[in-house]
Amino acid sequence: NAGVTQTPKFQVLKTGQSMTLQCAQDMNHEYMSWYRQDPGMGLRLIHYSVGAGITDQGEVPNGYNVSRSTTEDFPLRLLSAAPSQTSVYFCASSYDSDREGKLFFGSGTQLSVL
Amino acid sequence: QKEVEQDPGPLSVPEGAIVSLNCTYSNSAFQYFMWYRQYSRKGPELLMYTYSSGNKEDGRFTAQVDKSSKYISLFIRDSQPSDSATYLCAMSPVPGGNNRLAFGKGNQVVVIP
Repeated sequence: NAGVTQTPKFQVLKTGQSMTLQCAQDMNHEYMSWYRQDPGMGLRLIHYSVGAGITDQGEVPNGYNVSRSTTEDFPLRLLSAAPSQTSVYFCASSYDSDREGKLFFGSGTQLSVL
Repeated sequence: QKEVEQDPGPLSVPEGAIVSLNCTYSNSAFQYFMWYRQYSRKGPELLMYTYSSGNKEDGRFTAQVDKSSKYISLFIRDSQPSDSATYLCAMSPVPGGNNRLAFGKGNQVVVIP
């Protein structure tokens, strides 16, 4: 059982470049989300989705786009990378009906923007 | 003031000691409390979930909630080197409200053999 799979694990970009971080889950979870984790800041929600075709903004959405065309996949797009987007990015998913809302996280993508 | 405050540490303890971790919060709407464990270069994993004041035990782990003081704790008894990780508290105003989760910064724990 793969769980939540993120690719790539590491990425270096130049300022202004665009890229897509991939996230896939094989648990048939309705809820999927993207977080960034920065030293001294904790985990902050970027975007989330409660099902295919439905997305919404989290706490820090600026500079990022998402779409959800299938239940399994939830890619995160950086439109024009900036040094402030240097961070570790985590994708997480859960059953929407789970009262405890247990989140399953991927292993993360470490992104550096030069 | 952030909604959730957590001292980032690091906290070093000898093997077998009791580890005590704390978070305070300012938003009285938070009613559901979680602790996540995060190993180096891995994603967080849910360790404990509770929603009532008092203690909840799971093996060597005890989660404690004091809603009147807006204070939660995690205790690890008989700590092992495998407990070396970062522990993040998280809380939500609604059950399963993942898009409304507020996380602490995380507290790094090192258990020395």
